[in-house]
Amino acid sequence: QKEVEQNSGPLSVPEGAIASLNCTYSDRGSQSFFWYRQYSGKSPELIMFIYSNGDKEDGRFTAQLNKASQYVSLLIRDSQPSDSATYLCAVRRLVMGNDMRFGAGTRLTVKP
Amino acid sequence: DAGVIQSPRHEVTEMGQEVTLRCKPISGHDYLFWYRQTMMRGLELLIYFNNNVPIDDSGMPEDRFSAKMPNASFSTLKIQPSEPRDSAVYFCASSLGTGGGGNTIYFGEGSWLTVV
Repeated sequence: QKEVEQNSGPLSVPEGAIASLNCTYSDRGSQSFFWYRQYSGKSPELIMFIYSNGDKEDGRFTAQLNKASQYVSLLIRDSQPSDSATYLCAVRRLVMGNDMRFGAGTRLTVKP
Repeated sequence: DAGVIQSPRHEVTEMGQEVTLRCKPISGHDYLFWYRQTMMRGLELLIYFNNNVPIDDSGMPEDRFSAKMPNASFSTLKIQPSEPRDSAVYFCASSLGTGGGGNTIYFGEGSWLTVV
């Protein structure tokens, strides 16, 4: 079992729709959870992070965390063509090691 | 503030040659990470350092790979000898171990390596 698993996609949504990206993780010691966006040929850039169970909103983005289910998701509302990218889920321990592990990424295409 | 700086940005080398990739982390960051990204395997953690000390190198694929961090502002990843299967994008990243920003790691622009 991979440490961080994501739906490989590709995921295609029309402009203005909600895009839903999902991620599960295996390490119960994970304490911080991140969503990165990576455009083709570029480095990953942070969208948002979440520590606590529940929802965290930042503009059009909402991250959801359920530690009991070891599940993290990212919702993108009012999707725009500029949101077309690969979205990487990452988890990080803060004790007993402090590395960050990434999922394989989900490729999202937003069609005008 | 300058971000993570990597060099070279692009390198094409012949099989068997030594390759050295360089990284300057963000000033004040105490963690430095080396990742490799390929289409097949995604973003893999190779090794990470805390306060210049290697903490976990279990992701280093073979003895041909080595990494050093002689001081807080410089790290190298060396491949000797290089092989075509080492062709990938190598990212260096840095972070604070604790504190604000959710312990976010910040990536350099990557070193695109092609071994022919």
